[in-house]
Amino acid sequence: DIQMTQSPSSVSASVGDRVTITCRASQGIGSWLAWYQQKPGKAPKLLIYVASSLQSGVPSRFSGSGSGTDFTLTISSLQPEDFATYYCQQASSFPYTFGQGTNLEIK
Amino acid sequence: EVQLVESGGVVVQPGGSLRLSCAASGFTFDDYTMHWVRQAPGKGLEWVSLISWDGTITYYVDSVKGRFTISRDNSKDSLYLQMNSLTTEDTALYYCAKDNRHRGFGSSAPDYWGQGTLVTVSS
Repeated sequence: DIQMTQSPSSVSASVGDRVTITCRASQGIGSWLAWYQQKPGKAPKLLIYVASSLQSGVPSRFSGSGSGTDFTLTISSLQPEDFATYYCQQASSFPYTFGQGTNLEIK
Repeated sequence: EVQLVESGGVVVQPGGSLRLSCAASGFTFDDYTMHWVRQAPGKGLEWVSLISWDGTITYYVDSVKGRFTISRDNSKDSLYLQMNSLTTEDTALYYCAKDNRHRGFGSSAPDYWGQGTLVTVSS
């Protein structure tokens, strides 16, 4: 199975900050990577698919990049509603696997 | 509006069985692959299983192979997960999710998720 490792596991930031979260795959996955946002008590929400495609309705301050084994999710200017946990997910081969999550907290 | 509503989660004893259901609406159900994803209390997400739009192809995570069976009834716009030989490790919130590819399979992402149904395996 492909292992997905996110870093950092937790990050503190302030409204208006630029934040980058990294996801590394244990083997190459092309561009088959998605990013999700999950708030407490809520279902995950798809933000980015195929590494850099913005899901409909997601604000443009979210962006994704990368290919092969290294990927990033960037939030250009944090808003209060962005504080949540973020997960990456590979879709290159079965079983699909998720990263362990990155908890984005208010500083 | 896409809606996915899971049901069937209960408290069950180790070794027991359970069938989860997911009622779909707001999209053409038989055009899309469907997923089950679970989340243990306080833990991260774990992809569990997938079934193709026509029901002919299924995949499972190793930890549930031989114990769980995913199925769908396109005439009822419904997805199911039959869970047998349950262990405490299966305790989780189970989400039903729609794939983002139209009549596609693989290399995809779940784009709409239900609110989940809680399965607790405990004696």
